[in-house]
Amino acid sequence: GQQLNQSPQSMFIQEGEDVSMNCTSSSIFNTWLWYKQDPGEGPVLLIALYKAGELTSNGRLTAQFGITRKDSFLNISASIPSDVGIYFCAGQAGGGADGLTFGKGTHLIIQP
Amino acid sequence: NAGVTQTPKFQVLKTGQSMTLQCAQDMNHEYMSWYRQDPGMGLRLIHYSVGAGITDQGEVPNGYNVSRSTTEDFPLRLLSAAPSQTSVYFCASSSGGEKLFFGSGTQLSVL
Repeated sequence: GQQLNQSPQSMFIQEGEDVSMNCTSSSIFNTWLWYKQDPGEGPVLLIALYKAGELTSNGRLTAQFGITRKDSFLNISASIPSDVGIYFCAGQAGGGADGLTFGKGTHLIIQP
Repeated sequence: NAGVTQTPKFQVLKTGQSMTLQCAQDMNHEYMSWYRQDPGMGLRLIHYSVGAGITDQGEVPNGYNVSRSTTEDFPLRLLSAAPSQTSVYFCASSSGGEKLFFGSGTQLSVL
């Protein structure tokens, strides 16, 4: 099946820093999604991207659908303690939600 | 505003025991699915359903059974638990598209 490479695997940052993470694939996707998982909870959708080159923001979060359709990026500006968690990218080539492929996640840790 | 409800939150089983993880959603979503989350492996699809009476296998279906008798419920059955099934299990639903709503998970340990 399709595989997504998500990096970095973990990030240790100071509060107030900006964060960047990305996902790459060997296959083309039609949709990219970014989820966040808080400790002890299920993932929650942050941003959905549907068009190559699309740039979408959700508060301090900005995500981009790569021009090649094989990658996506998520940036978090001015990180705060509640940003701690695991961020997952997911790509969909077609079909329904069963066609989603998830990355392995980026674990964001904010040091006081 | 319940969304997707999973029970139990935690479960410990002995090897060979059977059990059912419950999942219910109140959003009238046609699509429901089960994922397992293991360290360093991300989310892997176990089984999914596109509507009542219809189920299909995902990436890692072995050792698990599902049924979908109603739109609301999608239980996951472990027939004979194995230590390799120690994981965190998530149920998710959607209205048919790619935007999944996840439950809060069931942490399962098989000894």
